[in-house]
Amino acid sequence: AQKITQTQPGMFVQEKEAVTLDCTYDTSDQSYGLFWYKQPSSGEMIFLIYQGSYDEQNATEGRYSLNFQKARKSANLVISASQLGDSAMYFCAMREGKPGANSKLTFGKGITLSVRP
Amino acid sequence: NAGVMQNPRHLVRRRGQEARLRCSPVKGHSHVYWYRQLPEEGLKFMVYLQKENIIDESGMPKERFSAEFPKEGPSILRIQQVVRGDSAAYFCASSPPLADSSYNEQFFGPGTRLTVL
Repeated sequence: AQKITQTQPGMFVQEKEAVTLDCTYDTSDQSYGLFWYKQPSSGEMIFLIYQGSYDEQNATEGRYSLNFQKARKSANLVISASQLGDSAMYFCAMREGKPGANSKLTFGKGITLSVRP
Repeated sequence: NAGVMQNPRHLVRRRGQEARLRCSPVKGHSHVYWYRQLPEEGLKFMVYLQKENIIDESGMPKERFSAEFPKEGPSILRIQQVVRGDSAAYFCASSPPLADSSYNEQFFGPGTRLTVL
């Protein structure tokens, strides 16, 4: 089974509107972490937001928030007030186990977001 | 405030040649991860190293690939006798000691784009 599933086709959003990018995950660990990264056309990986499995509140970072639904094993990224510069690929990733000696990440296939002016 | 540095950014090799990819982690970071991104795919974990030690190489192909992180100098990912299927973007990420980070965030370099002719 896929550990990280991102199944949305290319997403489009109007500038200044909000958009939700879906991510579901699969793990048997009780402790894990979920990450979202942005990859613009230039290719670098930009860290956006983190959610720990024991965090009781949804993570927020500026215009980014993470809608964490533990029972459903979903960790959707919400981008508010979209900007043209938000056009990029977005990857959801998971670290299984506690942060520690080995924090390798498992990535989903990504979602392409295009922001329309 | 130098982030993770990778060089070269682009590398072209002919089939059968060797490719050497270098990664200098963020100053003070002792954990290095290598990932490979095939076209239209997410990143896939290859290897995790600490200074002078390979901790987890479960994602490395069994042949032709090797990695090191010497006491002094950058981490090196070495691909011998490259084939066309090795064409990909190779990303290095570093993370600080756990005591300096609550969740072992990984900082990614800009990647090396390897093209095998």
